[in-house]
Amino acid sequence: AQRVTQPEKLLSVFKGAPVELKCNYSYSGSPELFWYVQYSRQRLQLLLRHISRESIKGFTADLNKGETSFHLKKPFAQEEDSAMYYCALRTGGFKTIFGAGTRLFVKA
Amino acid sequence: DGGITQSPKYLFRKEGQNVTLSCEQNLNHDAMYWYRQDPGQGLRLIYYSQIVNDFQKGDIAEGYSVSREKKESFPLTVTSAQKNPTAFYLCASSKTGQETQYFGPGTRLLVL
Repeated sequence: AQRVTQPEKLLSVFKGAPVELKCNYSYSGSPELFWYVQYSRQRLQLLLRHISRESIKGFTADLNKGETSFHLKKPFAQEEDSAMYYCALRTGGFKTIFGAGTRLFVKA
Repeated sequence: DGGITQSPKYLFRKEGQNVTLSCEQNLNHDAMYWYRQDPGQGLRLIYYSQIVNDFQKGDIAEGYSVSREKKESFPLTVTSAQKNPTAFYLCASSKTGQETQYFGPGTRLLVL
């Protein structure tokens, strides 16, 4: 079955600490993975996609096909990173499967 | 925050009533999508449309209907057959099915 799992509903870290939001997927084909973010009172928006291999707002994510993971990382968390983060898997065509989301809270 | 708009922001439905949620985009995108968001469940795909006059069921289409008569518009009707309609509904669009999705601000549907 095609599935995206984000094991943490809530992740709380101190400002300046490293942060890692976990994402595991289940898909037998060639996956395309994304991280979307929703800041308070803003709409859901794309943060990054694995094929771009870029760093956005200091965040990076590497696709690990062996572990079927696409964890989102940032070495030094900032208060403005507090938001809801969704991992998403596009399985081909028009269908994208979203994880349940992880709320990141960065404490001062 | 233009581009893709949804209305109303809040919608109340009475038992047995059909209600329609509006989604409009001026991004000239071919593909449009409707998702339902419930607490702890992420986003689930209701319907999607690749081009005008064409749409496909997603994972949870039962109790919902859509139309795509214009490129800019993809309204979602929540019918009386949907027994648990209370949720947050998100509309999205993308240039094609292979491109990044852009989301609207959402409509919260509540049952009276």
